[in-house]
Amino acid sequence: GEDVEQSLFLSVREGDSSVINCTYTDSSSTYLYWYKQEPGAGLQLLTYIFSNMDMKQDQRLTVLLNKKDKHLSLRIADTQTGDSAIYFCAEISNFGNEKLTFGTGTRLTIIP
Amino acid sequence: DAGVIQSPRHEVTEMGQEVTLRCKPISGHDYLFWYRQTMMRGLELLIYFNNNVPIDDSGMPEDRFSAKMPNASFSTLKIQPSEPRDSAVYFCASRSDSSTADTQYFGPGTRLTVL
Repeated sequence: GEDVEQSLFLSVREGDSSVINCTYTDSSSTYLYWYKQEPGAGLQLLTYIFSNMDMKQDQRLTVLLNKKDKHLSLRIADTQTGDSAIYFCAEISNFGNEKLTFGTGTRLTIIP
Repeated sequence: DAGVIQSPRHEVTEMGQEVTLRCKPISGHDYLFWYRQTMMRGLELLIYFNNNVPIDDSGMPEDRFSAKMPNASFSTLKIQPSEPRDSAVYFCASRSDSSTADTQYFGPGTRLTVL
């Protein structure tokens, strides 16, 4: 089946930029997503990118997509303590296929 | 809108008991999804419905699991009999047929512990 991989942990100093990386195997991905999960909560959609885009910026968030290398990244500028959470990369492929494939999640820890 | 609503938020039960998890999707959404999250397997899609009809249940672990959607505003996931390995967080999600980027919206989850 399709696979989405992420590193498990990332620690960043408050005020620095965080970069969370994701690789995927599905060459027919149509949309790729970043979800945020805070302790005891559900998944909150942060942003998404269509597979024919290279970059998307939304306030402090920048998503970069390298379709050739099947690499997706999420950059959070000026990281704050409220950004501490687990971040999931997910992809969906083919029109009419509803299956979201999630990565393992990256736990982002902010160092004061 | 209140978002996706799930109940209960926490459930503790003993092995062999029946467990019923409930979900109310966002009003007007056509799709409803049930996911399970565990440390070992991450997030897995169990089943999804379109217009109240089950479309893909290939992720349902075994016959002990069943899901229904009797109307557009309610779905249940039932485990009978429950086993300790069913302990997990169960999420419900929904989306509209016209959602931008096919975006799914998640509920807060039900944390199930089977003793």
